[in-house]
Amino acid sequence: GAGVSQTPSNKVTEKGKYVELRCDPISGHTALYWYRQSLGQGPEFLIYFQGTGAADDSGLPNDRFFAVRPEGSVSTLKIQRTERGDSAVYLCASSSTGGPLYEQYFGPGTRLTVT
Amino acid sequence: AQSVTQLGSHVSVSEGALVLLRCNYSSSVPPYLFWYVQYPNQGLQLLLKYTTGATLVKGINGFEAEFKKSETSFHLTKPSAHMSDAAEYFCAVSYGYNQGGKLIFGQGTELSVKP
Repeated sequence: GAGVSQTPSNKVTEKGKYVELRCDPISGHTALYWYRQSLGQGPEFLIYFQGTGAADDSGLPNDRFFAVRPEGSVSTLKIQRTERGDSAVYLCASSSTGGPLYEQYFGPGTRLTVT
Repeated sequence: AQSVTQLGSHVSVSEGALVLLRCNYSSSVPPYLFWYVQYPNQGLQLLLKYTTGATLVKGINGFEAEFKKSETSFHLTKPSAHMSDAAEYFCAVSYGYNQGGKLIFGQGTELSVKP
């Protein structure tokens, strides 16, 4: 079956612009996670959705970052007024439901470059 | 703060040699423990996990890891390295349902396998 997909695979934008990154989770998975992986680092948690609601957004670095999941499937991570420090690979993962006992399946990521 | 430390950002072994990748976590509460592998241009893939019960866990591709509470460690081993094992390996922890299963990752260890 289809895995987690993310679009675009690469995004180059200018400092100050707005970007949207999309995640399509595995069908039927109610839990969805966003992580950010900077060069040479491990993934860093951003936000967790259970269904349509953001159950934990403690990892969002500031109010320029926002994510939605209006119908409980596809999610969009939105970054306003991008900065060069936002350059990273943004990873999405889904699991059948939330909790540490359920495997998270990761997408290939979106590489964001802010020039 | 909860953290994960992976000793050695880069490990190189010969084909057929033992693989040992080190992971320590900081917490007074035993976490759930994971090892993920990331091949070039691919998403993170779960190798193995420890939740409860037997402290020696076996994963895919011949890898195993042992949870040692007294040492707060979860080192990853494989008796005989194969060229196809060359990849980036991440240790991660999760602290239970009240955190929704979000993962805290170490910085990663890049494994090289020499012929």
